Parts: sequence; structure tokens; C-alpha cells
Amino acid sequence: DVKVTQSSRYLVKRTGEKVFLECVQDMDHENMFWYRQDPGLGLRLIYFSYDVKMKEKGDIPEGYSVSREKKERFSLILESASTNQTSMYLCASSSISGDEQYFGPGTRLTVT
Amino acid sequence: AQSVTQPDIHITVSEGASLELRCNYSYGATPYLFWYVQSPGQGLQLLLKYFSGDTLVQGIKGFEAEFKRSQSSFNLRKPSVHWSDAAEYFCAVSSGGYNKLIFGAGTRLAVHP
Repeated sequence: DVKVTQSSRYLVKRTGEKVFLECVQDMDHENMFWYRQDPGLGLRLIYFSYDVKMKEKGDIPEGYSVSREKKERFSLILESASTNQTSMYLCASSSISGDEQYFGPGTRLTVT
Repeated sequence: AQSVTQPDIHITVSEGASLELRCNYSYGATPYLFWYVQSPGQGLQLLLKYFSGDTLVQGIKGFEAEFKRSQSSFNLRKPSVHWSDAAEYFCAVSSGGYNKLIFGAGTRLAVHP
């Protein structure tokens, strides 16, 4: 079974802190994604990566950056957390030829 | 621009009743369409997908969906709902390369005993 894990289920940070959200997949997938999920808005793509060290902006990249140094790991970085970044963050992966995205359990981030 | 609309934010059904969740998409080419389910506190799980061929697709947990190109719809159905089906359901369309997905806002399903 494909497994996508995220480093934390719940995280509480203060405004202005630098925040790292980690995602690891064990299926050797080329593509990895970070989404933000908010009530009434569904999932919105923040960034994705199609190869090591390669990244592309999604629909809402402002205030975020990403890092992919190894194929299995994709990190989302909030350089200076703000209260409007309080949300659920979901990581996903897919193969280059595949169709389905596999999701992690999510990290619920609260910025106070 | 591609988009997905799920007109119903909340739906409540009785256990054993039939269910239909609506999804409309806007996409220029032949769409790849998906339905995902999210149980409370969980990530998303794929229920079913449509790429081509038979427009009625079967998925897991007894769900099916029908692709209607003329109506730009991909509605999800289940003939008899179980209490464990209470969850949030997301319709999505694949957008361009790299398997990027565009999601609808979701429909939250409640099941009454």
C-alpha cells in the first residue's frame, strides 16, 4: 500500500515563527503536492514538485515556499507564519504516469 | 479556466436511503474526473475515477458515478447509504500535466439512523 506520512497531525505556532511541514512518501513517486483545505473552499494547490529540486507554484503560493532535496520528501515552509495561514494542510503524491493522487492524513496548523 | 462546482454544501439522508451528490465541471478537453472521500480527521481516499470508455464507473464502498458530457456532470450515487458513509466528498478534475487536480468545495454528508 502507498503510504504518505506527515510529520505532525496538530501544530500550534505563533505569528512570525518559521514553520516546517514535512511529508514523506514510500512509493518512489515523482510528483508531490501541498494543498491547503479550508471550509467551503475545498482543497487549493499551494506548490507541487515533479522531481528532486524541481518545484512549481500552484494557485495560492504567496507566503509559502517548498523544498525537495530527496525524492521521497517534500517540505512546506511558512517563512513567517500569519494567522490567515491557520488551516489544514494536506500532502499528496502520484507517479509520473499515474492518475491517482495519494494523500497523507493532514496537519492542522493553528497560528496564534 | 478549469473549475469544479459542487452545488450542495451539506446533505442529510436517512440510513438506507439512496444518495446522489452533484458535481459539475468546466474543462476544455476530455476531462479526467475523480471522487474522493474524507472521513473525519483523515486524509482523502479515492472512491472512483473516470478517464474514458464506459460513462458509468464503479468505485469502492458501493459507490458509482456517471459521466455526462452534455451536462458537464459527474454525479456520485449510492443506492443505500450506511451510517459509516458520513463524511465529506470531493469531486476533482485533472488539470493539465503533472496530474494536478482542481477540487470542488466539497459536500458534507450526514446520515440519520
